[in-house]
Amino acid sequence: DQQVKQNSPSLSVQEGRISILNCDYTNSMFDYFLWYKKYPAEGPTFLISISSIKDKNEDGRFTVFLNKSAKHLSLHIVPSQPGDSAVYFCAASTTGTASKLTFGTGTRLQVTL
Amino acid sequence: DAGITQSPRHKVTETGTPVTLRCHQTENHRYMYWYRQDPGHGLRLIHYSYGVKDTDKGEVSDGYSVSRSKTEDFLLTLESATSSQTSVYFCAISEPYPGGEQFFGPGTRLTVL
Repeated sequence: DQQVKQNSPSLSVQEGRISILNCDYTNSMFDYFLWYKKYPAEGPTFLISISSIKDKNEDGRFTVFLNKSAKHLSLHIVPSQPGDSAVYFCAASTTGTASKLTFGTGTRLQVTL
Repeated sequence: DAGITQSPRHKVTETGTPVTLRCHQTENHRYMYWYRQDPGHGLRLIHYSYGVKDTDKGEVSDGYSVSRSKTEDFLLTLESATSSQTSVYFCAISEPYPGGEQFFGPGTRLTVL
């Protein structure tokens, strides 16, 4: 039972354009959502997070939007750069559960020149 | 970067042999986690620790055991490795506050023949 879903395995975007990565979840107890970026042969690195009491969080070129009623979040990258090419994982956690993360299956983003 | 190392980084072993993977941190973080990453599954939690000698099971704990005798070390043991345990294993650490991001090690690629 996949509680966090990333339905697009891959995405290709031109350099300078917007990349939008989507994530859906089913567990209404999740109250923190995080995005991680992963390059080949490296561990995931934290990108940005959002609490369930917010609907938007920005950090430079990265913005995460949360729609609780739809149980949906998205990561926007503007403008996209070739160095953004990586696998992006959405993850969720629940307060009081030792910050255990439930991950989605990942979306491979390719930023083309 | 958080000070997290994993050893070995690569290992090939045969079915039925015991294997121990080590995670070492220099950040003095209280929580430590072991995940495995497989195609189509994202990262799945195997076991986690919320303090020295305090551990608990994750989503895919069957066939694995862990130990944490010091704050800085978290060991993952496959008592009798099987081919289904061929995977990339990641260790992570975090502090115990709500929504606290986890910092990941570089991973160990394990192949069970």
